[in-house]
Amino acid sequence: AQRVTQPEKLLSVFKGAPVELKCNYSYSGSPELFWYVQYSRQRLQLLLRHISRESIKGFTADLNKGETSFHLKKPFAQEEDSAMYYCALRPSGPSQLTFGKGTKLSVIP
Amino acid sequence: DAGVIQSPRHEVTEMGQEVTLRCKPISGHDYLFWYRQTMMRGLELLIYFNNNVPIDDSGMPEDRFSAKMPNASFSTLKIQPSEPRDSAVYFCASSLVRGREQFFGPGTRLTVL
Repeated sequence: AQRVTQPEKLLSVFKGAPVELKCNYSYSGSPELFWYVQYSRQRLQLLLRHISRESIKGFTADLNKGETSFHLKKPFAQEEDSAMYYCALRPSGPSQLTFGKGTKLSVIP
Repeated sequence: DAGVIQSPRHEVTEMGQEVTLRCKPISGHDYLFWYRQTMMRGLELLIYFNNNVPIDDSGMPEDRFSAKMPNASFSTLKIQPSEPRDSAVYFCASSLVRGREQFFGPGTRLTVL
């Protein structure tokens, strides 16, 4: 069975500092990886997916199949980035997502 | 479009009572998912439907939990009898086709006393 690991429950950084939210996965096939974000008092929403290879709100994530990682990065953190971030994996075939336990990002002004 | 709609937004009940959570997916979406979010376990998939048919309910914790989708625009998650350890935020999500983005509802915060 697949598994998603987010080793940090809480990550605090200063405004303007680089951010890296770690995500590692275990799955024998070719998964699809996602990052979802939940801002305070808002719904969980998709931030980005690896197949899009795009930058959203300054965030990027590269799928590293060798290291089975999909870390989320941003060069300069902003206060509005403070939120809960979930890494998720969709195995090839099925529709359901397996989520990590989430990392709470706190950007200190 | 109002997005995925869930009701109630908050539910406080006593142990042993029946609890019913409701979800209206985005019109036209073929997939509906129920999740539970807790501090300890994060976000867990409970069950999901495709075209109103339950596909995978392996995440349903116990027989006390049941979910139905009588039509394309409505689903329920029922807990009977409820227990304090069921306290969590329950999310419903829907997606248009397999593998596409899931759109989440605002969640129902359940507290079982």
